[in-house]
Amino acid sequence: DTGVSQNPRHKITKRGQNVTFRCDPISEHNRLYWYRQTLGQGPEFLTYFQNEAQLEKSRLLSDRFSAERPKGSFSTLEIQRTEQGDSAMYLCASSPGTGSLEQYFGPGTRLTVT
Amino acid sequence: AQSVTQPDIHITVSEGASLELRCNYSYGATPYLFWYVQSPGQGLQLLLKYFSGDTLVQGIKGFEAEFKRSQSSFNLRKPSVHWSDAAEYFCAVDNFNKFYFGSGTKLNVKP
Repeated sequence: DTGVSQNPRHKITKRGQNVTFRCDPISEHNRLYWYRQTLGQGPEFLTYFQNEAQLEKSRLLSDRFSAERPKGSFSTLEIQRTEQGDSAMYLCASSPGTGSLEQYFGPGTRLTVT
Repeated sequence: AQSVTQPDIHITVSEGASLELRCNYSYGATPYLFWYVQSPGQGLQLLLKYFSGDTLVQGIKGFEAEFKRSQSSFNLRKPSVHWSDAAEYFCAVDNFNKFYFGSGTKLNVKP
């Protein structure tokens, strides 16, 4: 069990550019979650997948954000036309699914928009 | 609306002293509660969880937490703090597969 991995760990981009982050969950975990964490705050829920189906999206997830989990394994989170307010840590978590509520978090991707 | 409050932003304790971190939640149903710890550059690590049953739950690294329904609280405790416990601690409540987190408590440990 290698844990949840996220790439890249850091991303610096200019305002208006698109960025994509990747999350590899613990193998055989059915559920995958994305959270955003800003300085001095706890993580905020963005969206989650049950296998390849995206089941819920937060109102925080504007139209510029899109997430996919095409084969029910890894997931990507894309932000289009980045804004300075998008600067944050983006966390991914996975969970075995039914019968287990525990979420296992990756180290996060820190995004800085200049 | 569901919410989690951690009233203490920063706490400093001396090494070897006892610790209590407060967490209050607002939730309509029976809550599923968690404590996570986050060290710089590290992901969130699960310390312990409460689903049902015994209201005093034991976790890793010598931590425990007590669920008190009457006070809507789930406070984290440790009898003797080690310097390696310095980190940020987050309380979370599960709401239909989404976690709501508190804003965290940063723990400093004095030698």
